Amino acid sequence: LAKTTQPISMDSYEGQEVNITCSHNNIATNDYITWYQQFPSQGPRFIIQGYKTKVTNEVASLFIPADRKSSTLSLPRVSLSDTAVYYCLVGLNQAGTALIFGKGTTLSVSS
Amino acid sequence: GAVVSQHPSRVICKSGTSVKIECRSLDFQATTMFWYRQFPKQSLMLMATSNEGSKATYEQGVEKDKFLINHASLTLSTLTVTSAHPEDSSFYICSARDPGRGNSPLHFGNGTRLTVT
Repeated sequence: LAKTTQPISMDSYEGQEVNITCSHNNIATNDYITWYQQFPSQGPRFIIQGYKTKVTNEVASLFIPADRKSSTLSLPRVSLSDTAVYYCLVGLNQAGTALIFGKGTTLSVSS
Repeated sequence: GAVVSQHPSRVICKSGTSVKIECRSLDFQATTMFWYRQFPKQSLMLMATSNEGSKATYEQGVEKDKFLINHASLTLSTLTVTSAHPEDSSFYICSARDPGRGNSPLHFGNGTRLTVT
């Protein structure tokens, strides 16, 4: 399973764009990249998933370079409620395949 | 979207007793579910893989006789913490994918906070 490396923490202010980069140098050919958000005492919540290039949904964008050895989660115009831990996970999207969590990035948004 | 539900959300039990945690897939059938454990200020750690109709597979260092997993139906997996001790106090989270949807991500339950006194 591909190991991921993220910054331990990041600080931002309301209204700013936040970019969190994840390194996954040994990603396998069929691995997908998935980002989750976790609030205290809650289960991780799916944010976005991608395989290559750029993916965008209503809450975030995911940028994946051609070599796929890293990915960047972009959160536009963060608010206080975006304060959470963000996890980047890499692995197969098969029913029987678990994902291994790294340490995650604690994002703190201030007013 | 796919929903995974856990029950109870929190439980307090006395040392030496057993506690059962339920994990249900609400709108899909899951032949496989995963159980994670999370200690304060740490990341999630995979404990075991629950397989419908067969034995669970446990990660290294997880005692199978202490953490009993039963996956008796395609929508329900249970984790029983037997003879619980204070060091078993943790946040337990289950997850599953919807096999009927291509490239389905893992969906997580809201977790169960276990406190052993």
